[in-house]
Amino acid sequence: DQQVKQNSPSLSVQEGRISILNCDYTNSMFDYFLWYKKYPAEGPTFLISISSIKDKNEDGRFTVFLNKSAKHLSLHIVPSQPGDSAVYFCAARLYSGGGADGLTFGKGTHLIIQP
Amino acid sequence: KAGVTQTPRYLIKTRGQQVTLSCSPISGHRSVSWYQQTPGQGLQFLFEYFSETQRNKGNFPGRFSGRQFSNSRSEMNVSTLELGDSALYLCASSLRGLAGYEYEQYFGPGTRLTVT
Repeated sequence: DQQVKQNSPSLSVQEGRISILNCDYTNSMFDYFLWYKKYPAEGPTFLISISSIKDKNEDGRFTVFLNKSAKHLSLHIVPSQPGDSAVYFCAARLYSGGGADGLTFGKGTHLIIQP
Repeated sequence: KAGVTQTPRYLIKTRGQQVTLSCSPISGHRSVSWYQQTPGQGLQFLFEYFSETQRNKGNFPGRFSGRQFSNSRSEMNVSTLELGDSALYLCASSLRGLAGYEYEQYFGPGTRLTVT
């Protein structure tokens, strides 16, 4: 059972426009969410995170929104640039009290920025 | 500050053999987590080590094991390799809970294991 879902395997956006990547989760015990970006032959690179006590977090061109009631989060990239073309992973952490568990990842969305 | 390093970067093994992968975390990071990435399953959590102790474990068979040394470096071992173990193995380090909810993990480039 996939607890973190990224339903769009790929997304194509024109350079300069907004890219919106979506992620849904099923476990209401997740308390921290992260977005990672991955280029081929490299490990994932941390982009931005959000705690479950917040509904928005911004860092430059990147904004993550969290809707706890809908169990949905999204990553907005404005404006989109050619270097943003990569696979984006949504991840969630389950805090178990004695220590944080490993991250649960979605299967990723391949973002393609068109010139 | 140097990032997470993993060795070797590529490895080819035969079914039934065993393999050991190595990970050096970012200086100051005491938590090391291991993940397996395959095209079908995506990124899956294997286990996490903190202060030389395994803290968490994912849903993998006992053939997958690991350890962490006093300098926080970690090794992962897979025994009796199967064809399905072919994957990219990623190591990530973090400051693990020392700053409350901040739990960003920083990944190494991975070790590409091919089992034939």
